[in-house]
Parts: sequence; structure tokens; C-alpha cells
Amino acid sequence: LAKTTQPISMDSYEGQEVNITCSHNNIATNDYITWYQQFPSQGPRFIIQGYKTKVTNEVASLFIPADRKSSTLSLPRVSLSDTAVYYCLVGDHSNYQLIWGAGTKLIIKP
Amino acid sequence: EAGVTQFPSHSVIEKGQTVTLRCDPISGHDNLYWYRRVMGKEIKFLLHFVKESKQDESGMPNNRFLAERTGGTYSTLKVQPAELEDSGVYFCASSQVGEDRSTEAFFGQGTRLTVV
Repeated sequence: LAKTTQPISMDSYEGQEVNITCSHNNIATNDYITWYQQFPSQGPRFIIQGYKTKVTNEVASLFIPADRKSSTLSLPRVSLSDTAVYYCLVGDHSNYQLIWGAGTKLIIKP
Repeated sequence: EAGVTQFPSHSVIEKGQTVTLRCDPISGHDNLYWYRRVMGKEIKFLLHFVKESKQDESGMPNNRFLAERTGGTYSTLKVQPAELEDSGVYFCASSQVGEDRSTEAFFGQGTRLTVV
């Protein structure tokens, strides 16, 4: 199972673009990269998932370089409500025995 | 569409008692997972059901934990007898493999278990 490394915490301001990078050096060929968001007292919420290159949805973009050993979650124009913990996970779609790290605690300031 | 629901949201029990947590996945989702976060630690995988079958239960901490999924619908996680170290938040998630083989797991709000 691939382990990920990401910043423990980050600060930013409303309206800014926030990029959170995750390292996953031992990612396997079948592994997808998935990001989750978690607010206090709630379960994690799926943000985005990708395999390679770039994926974009209405919430975020995910950039994955060719070697797939890292990925960057990009949140455009953040607001105070984006303050949360963000988890980067790597795993096969058929196996959700994922290794959850500590995540990145993102704090958005006014 | 209803999301993943967990019952109860909170439970406080005494050491040695039994507690049963319930998870109702999203209708039609074959995959159901249990995770837990012990205080101050990271989220840990417990087990994975595919329909009514246990696909992977390697994360179950010991034989005091028993998970079932009747008829491939809702699931229960029983802790008997509960110990102090079982305190934490128990999350349930469900998913269905997409056509592009990607998987989005939907999580419940969790059950906060406190053993005193």
C-alpha cells in the first residue's frame, strides 16, 4: 500500500488559489490518486480523483506529473468555508484499504 | 438521494459492555467499508464488504469486533466487550465502481464511541 506525504498545515486568504502537494513515491501501476476533504465532526467527503495528467471538476483541479510520484490539488479562489483537513490517498479502485495520513489542515483567513 | 447514514451518532458505554454500530450505505452500492479514528491518531481501515461477503477484514483489531452485512444491505459493527482503547470515531463508507474504474467513496458522518 502506497503511503503519502503532505504538508501538515497551510494558511491562505479568501480569494486566493491554494495548491496542496502530495508525494507518493511508491505508487503502483493500478493506483488512483484521490483527495478527500473533512470538516470537524463530519465524515470525509470526496473531492477529486485522477490517474494521470490533469483532472478538473467543479470544485478543484488535480495535477499529476508523468511519473505519478506526486500530485497537486488546486483549489481556485478559496473561501472561509474551505477551511478543513485535506487528505491525499493512493490506492487501487478495488481496494479501499487505504493508508490515511494526518492530512493537511488548511486554514483560510479573511 | 440519501447518503450514507450511521447510527447512533454518539454512544457512551462502560467498559465491558456491548455496543452495536449500524451503517446504511447508499442504495445499490456493493462496497461497504468501516474505518475508525482513535483519538489523536489517523483514520484506519477496518474492513471491506462486497455485498454480503467480507472482502478484506485485515484491519479488524481483534476478535472483540464483529462486522456483519445482512443481505448485502446495511452493516453492523459490534464491539463486545468494549475496552477503553476502543473509544474513537467509527466511519462507514460505501462505493460503486465507476465505468472508468475510478471509485468515489461516500462517507457517513461517523459514530463517536466513548468507553468509560
